[in-house]
Amino acid sequence: GNSVTQMEGPVTLSEEAFLTINCTYTATGYPSLFWYVQYPGEGLQLLLKATKADDKGSNKGFEATYRKETTSFHLEKGSVQVSDSAVYFCALSDDYKLSFGAGTTVTVRA
Amino acid sequence: DTGVSQDPRHKITKRGQNVTFRCDPISEHNRLYWYRQTLGQGPEFLTYFQNEAQLEKSRLLSDRFSAERPKGSFSTLEIQRTEQGDSAMYLCASSGQGAYGYTFGSGTRLTVV
Repeated sequence: GNSVTQMEGPVTLSEEAFLTINCTYTATGYPSLFWYVQYPGEGLQLLLKATKADDKGSNKGFEATYRKETTSFHLEKGSVQVSDSAVYFCALSDDYKLSFGAGTTVTVRA
Repeated sequence: DTGVSQDPRHKITKRGQNVTFRCDPISEHNRLYWYRQTLGQGPEFLTYFQNEAQLEKSRLLSDRFSAERPKGSFSTLEIQRTEQGDSAMYLCASSGQGAYGYTFGSGTRLTVV
């Protein structure tokens, strides 16, 4: 079956630091890959997505590249801000159903 | 459009009671999903509707759980004879097609005491 493993948190960073959250997946076929973000007190929001190998998703300064050879979709941001403090979820889908990782809590300190 | 709405936001109930949650999807979305999220975990798929038809139910959805989507609009999720293990955030989402256009609601947090 499909599964997602992402880096355990929590992660604490200073403002303007570089952020990487590792995500690897197991899937039959060729899934689409997603990063979702959950800000405190809010619902899940799609951050970025990639639908095929070598695609790069990007949004709000975050990037992730679909690496089929390493079955990975690591999230990166070059310079984080306090407002990036949130829980980040890696997810995959091969049709309509999403399979999520456990989430990584990121706290950015001023 | 106000997005996906869920009601109530919070529910505290005694063990053994029945509870019902409501989800109002984005009006033009024909697909509706329920997920459950426990503390420290990612959301887990429970069930999926396309219009009024319930097309898939997870093994997580025991006989005490039932979901409906009459007329293909809003949906309800009922839990009968609640147990402490049912305590979780119940998330509803809707989409027009596939997993690309998911919009999640803010969830209903259930606490069973």
